Amino acid sequence: DTGVSQDPRHKITKRGQNVTFRCDPISEHNRLYWYRQTLGQGPEFLTYFQNEAQLEKSRLLSDRFSAERPKGSFSTLEIQRTEQGDSAMYLCASSPKGQQGSETQYFGPGTRLLVL
Amino acid sequence: AQSVAQPEDQVNVAEGNPLTVKCTYSVSGNPYLFWYVQYPNRGLQFLLKYITGDNLVKGSYGFEAEFNKSQTSFHLKKPSALVSDSALYFCAVRDKNALNFGKGTSLLVTP
Repeated sequence: DTGVSQDPRHKITKRGQNVTFRCDPISEHNRLYWYRQTLGQGPEFLTYFQNEAQLEKSRLLSDRFSAERPKGSFSTLEIQRTEQGDSAMYLCASSPKGQQGSETQYFGPGTRLLVL
Repeated sequence: AQSVAQPEDQVNVAEGNPLTVKCTYSVSGNPYLFWYVQYPNRGLQFLLKYITGDNLVKGSYGFEAEFNKSQTSFHLKKPSALVSDSALYFCAVRDKNALNFGKGTSLLVTP
């Protein structure tokens, strides 16, 4: 396993611009998750995919956020019209098939977004 | 909603001494509990989890955690701390498909 990878690792953008992040899960992991982590806080759940289906979205995922996993492999998270409050670390995780809820989520290194 | 609390923002311990990082939980039903560690500018690394069975769970890097139902706690422990254990530690509980994390505890191990 090469682990979960994320690209880019860092992104600086101006307020109002759109940004897109990519996540490549561990191969053969059919479950994929996005989280957001702000300074001094634990990660907060954003959304969950099983294969290509987006099955759960948190209230944190505003209309400006959209996530896709078109072929059930990599995923993208897009933020439109970025705001300074979007500055955070965006973490992706994946987990294998298993008893729902008990399987371990493995995290990538994250993408740190700074909105100026 | 399922939640966890980490009552300490920071824990300081001398190298070689035992360490404990505290976590309490609030859930309906049986909890699925996890511990992760985060080093600066890195993602989270899985340490261990409690699903069912033995209340003492052993994990990576010599860490273990004790599930205590009566006290609704899941404290992380290590018999002998290393300077390299200095990091941010997160307790988490499974809530449907998500993990709900605590705020984290910063562990500082001094030589």
